[in-house]
Amino acid sequence: QSALTQPASVSGSPGQSITISCTGTSSDVGGYNYVSWYQQHPGKAPKLMIYDVSNRPSGVSNRFSGSKSGNTASLTISGLQAEDEADYYCSSYTSSTTLVFGGGTKLTVL
Amino acid sequence: QLQLQESGPGLVKPSETLSLTCTVSGGSISSGTYYWGWIRQPPGKGLEWIGSIYYSGSTYYNRSLKSRVTISVDTSKNQFSLKVTSVTAADTAVYYCARHQGSGRMEFDYWGQGTLVTVSS
Repeated sequence: QSALTQPASVSGSPGQSITISCTGTSSDVGGYNYVSWYQQHPGKAPKLMIYDVSNRPSGVSNRFSGSKSGNTASLTISGLQAEDEADYYCSSYTSSTTLVFGGGTKLTVL
Repeated sequence: QLQLQESGPGLVKPSETLSLTCTVSGGSISSGTYYWGWIRQPPGKGLEWIGSIYYSGSTYYNRSLKSRVTISVDTSKNQFSLKVTSVTAADTAVYYCARHQGSGRMEFDYWGQGTLVTVSS
């Protein structure tokens, strides 16, 4: 199972919006609405930010939103804040009854 | 508040077996609603799902690791465990235990803090 494809890095200034893409295949991202997004700060465990493509867990800011089109899912962060600087990972359920992660994207807040 | 805590040796020799345990507190591993999984992250690299288990003992694994991995559960101790055989330097990683909803709903909503396992002689 190949990892989902994410850009290695993205950046934005405070207050701006950024979008991180996550590209898979029809056997994972395109075939199921089970895409999740995680935020990971250095030395910390990942934190669930989005599940089932576009749902936010309780306590996650509504500045974070998710969507999907075809085999590509996206995470959008609006009103960028310094604390959003972190690594972001997508994941998807697959047709093999397994889970695959993306390679991760480093977000830099300028 | 649910908490997960990984434990086990931080150093394992090449060709030996890596063994870790995840202790769950603040909730029952036998609740029937959740699955319990292992994820690892090599230093400076991305996340890799290893496998998951249901309290009944039903398991499913990452196909790339399946031949070397065993996940088991001990409901009496509210723990689940990971074994990886024939380890190499490529198995050096931070290992996390975490909880998810079900075989399709594989979003991990609670995580342990992670434990670094180094494979070296």
